Amino acid sequence: EAQVTQNPRYLITVTGKKLTVTCSQNMNHEYMSWYRQDPGLGLRQIYYSMNVEVTDKGDVPEGYKVSRKEKRNFPLILESPSPNQTSLYFCASRIAGSNTGELFFGEGSRLTVL
Amino acid sequence: QKEVEQNSGPLSVPEGAIASLNCTYSDRVSQSFFWYRQYSGKSPELIMSIYSNGDKEDGRFTAQLNKASQYVSLLIRDSQPSDSATYLCALRGPGRRALTFGSGTRLQVQP
Repeated sequence: EAQVTQNPRYLITVTGKKLTVTCSQNMNHEYMSWYRQDPGLGLRQIYYSMNVEVTDKGDVPEGYKVSRKEKRNFPLILESPSPNQTSLYFCASRIAGSNTGELFFGEGSRLTVL
Repeated sequence: QKEVEQNSGPLSVPEGAIASLNCTYSDRVSQSFFWYRQYSGKSPELIMSIYSNGDKEDGRFTAQLNKASQYVSLLIRDSQPSDSATYLCALRGPGRRALTFGSGTRLQVQP
């Protein structure tokens, strides 16, 4: 089954404790992206990657890091989480040259930073 | 001004009625427009895309685009309770890789 898998789905952590949210896709997509979703603000892009070893900032990259060492994986790293990073995070992927706009989303990871 | 504006709702319609969801955008050069549906607690899924002025129909869904007035709308005919969800408008401008999303309109279809 074609899917984007995120882990963990739910996480409560404390300020400053480094964490990583993993994302893996099995569709051989070149393009992968991370979004956060907050009430009233919609989905905002954090980082994206056009292919292995190619990453770039989205609209809200502060406080986050990513890496793309393998085509299927695109982890999101919070080096020192803060309460304003409490949010619902989605990983998404698509074919790089696609103009259809169809992003395939993971199930989401709800993060709470205390 | 937000790049993509949507009324947050909830928009409540009776079963069988037409639901009309609207979206306005600020960037005149936006080229591609999309509607995603997001059920509560789930991830967004693409339901419609439209690239040129006019109407595009797919089953019970019709997307309408008016670039001169900078709005895009989604009509859902014969609304069903299973259509109850948040509908996200998204767009992409020329040369941009990312989609810009609105904050969504929550639709409630009353049985």
